[in-house]
Amino acid sequence: QLQLQESGPGLVKPSETLSLTCTVSGGSISSSSYYWGWIRQPPGKGLEWIGSIFYSGSTYYNPSLKSRVTISVDTSKNQFSLKLSSMTAADTAVYYCARHGRGDPDAFDIWGQGTMVTVSP
Amino acid sequence: QSVLTQPPSASGTPGQRVTISCSGSSSNIGSNSVNWYQQLPGTAPKLLIYSNNERPSGVPDRFSGSKSGTSASLAISGLQSEDEADYYCAAWDDSLNGWVFGGGTKLTVL
Repeated sequence: QLQLQESGPGLVKPSETLSLTCTVSGGSISSSSYYWGWIRQPPGKGLEWIGSIFYSGSTYYNPSLKSRVTISVDTSKNQFSLKLSSMTAADTAVYYCARHGRGDPDAFDIWGQGTMVTVSP
Repeated sequence: QSVLTQPPSASGTPGQRVTISCSGSSSNIGSNSVNWYQQLPGTAPKLLIYSNNERPSGVPDRFSGSKSGTSASLAISGLQSEDEADYYCAAWDDSLNGWVFGGGTKLTVL
C-alpha cells in the first residue's frame, strides 16, 4: 500500500533554511486524484497546514507562511520537498507529509510518520 | 489561536458515549466538508471521518460524524481505553484558500 516517508535534518540553526523531502512508495505521485501536502505540529500543540502541491507543480500555501515556503515535486523520483526559510525557534515542530484528495473527498488520508525538526544555534 | 474551535479536553468512562464539537464559520465548515483525525500518543494523525460523516475502511462504526451549519461533531459510542487520543477537526477555508484545523481535543478515558 501507499506509504510516505519524510527525510531531512533534525537540527537547523536560526535564520537558516529547512529542507525536507517526502518519498512516496507503493504508488505514483503522478496521480490526477491527489495533492501532496506538508503539515507541522509544534511540541504539545495542534496541527498547522503548511502547503500542498499537485504533480504538475501547481502549489498553494498557508498565507501565514507563504513568504517563507517553497514546495516542489520531482516525479522522476516520486518525491516532493519542502523548503522553509528564515527558521526561528517558533518553527520547531514535527513535520508531516501527507496525501489529500483533489475534490470530494479531500481529506488527508495517508500520512508519513513525521520528522522532528529543532531550531537551535 | 485556531480557526476552528474545539474544546481542549473531553472525558468519559468505558462504554459511554462522548461527543466532541468543532465550531467554524461560513467560509470553512459552513461551505465545505469536515474531516476528523485521531492522533494516538507519539504517532502521526490518522483519518477517522471524512466528508462530514464517512468512515474510511477499518474505522469502527462506534465513530460517527455530523455537521450542521457552521458546526460539526464527532461522536464516539461504546468508549474504549484505546480511544484515548487527541482528536482534530479540519476543513477547507474559502477565504484563506487553505486548510484549517481545530486546536485539538484530548480525550481521556477514565
